[in-house]
Amino acid sequence: GENVEQHPSTLSVQEGDSAVIKCTYSDSASNYFPWYKQELGKGPQLIIDIRSNVGEKKDQRIAVTLNKTAKHFSLHITETQPEDSAVYFCAANLEGTYKYIFGTGTRLKVLA
Amino acid sequence: SQTIHQWPATLVQPVGSPLSLECTVEGTSNPNLYWYRQAAGRGLQLLFYSVGIGQISSEVPQNLSASRPQDRQFILSSKKLLLSDSGFYLCAWSARQGTGNQPQHFGDGTRLSIL
Repeated sequence: GENVEQHPSTLSVQEGDSAVIKCTYSDSASNYFPWYKQELGKGPQLIIDIRSNVGEKKDQRIAVTLNKTAKHFSLHITETQPEDSAVYFCAANLEGTYKYIFGTGTRLKVLA
Repeated sequence: SQTIHQWPATLVQPVGSPLSLECTVEGTSNPNLYWYRQAAGRGLQLLFYSVGIGQISSEVPQNLSASRPQDRQFILSSKKLLLSDSGFYLCAWSARQGTGNQPQHFGDGTRLSIL
């Protein structure tokens, strides 16, 4: 079945620097890859997603890249700010189902 | 716009007691609905999902059950809670278009502690 690995588990960056979180997936049929941000005590919030027919998508300081051949996708946050501190989850859909497989999460700390 | 509500936000229950967590969605019709559990510092484990009233799919064998009595209402239940049922429970919805390639939108969760 589908498996999603996420790295690193924790990441500390200085305010203003960039942060990159990487995920790999195992099922080549997966075609939808969302990213979620979870703040303490809250549910995950969708921040960006990408479908398999594109290689990159950008929304202001956040971008996601997808390499279908290598089966990995990455979240890029530029000009990080303290409010970017949170846990970030990647996910991949199980093709033909309504289900996602989530990564284990990355705790991002942006140091002021 | 669509919103999702979960309650209660926190719950402390004794072992062996029953459980009922409720989730409702507003602003959309015929959503897919999901229940997840998140252990501390861990990822999300899918427990149940539903594609329509009375239609429930269970993902893992467990002490919990789910029901969907109305189109936009999803309930997570247990007859007798175990210590291992402690965790953060999240409800989510997605639009029923295509299969699996729609974003899921989460509520703010219920933190359940079993004593």
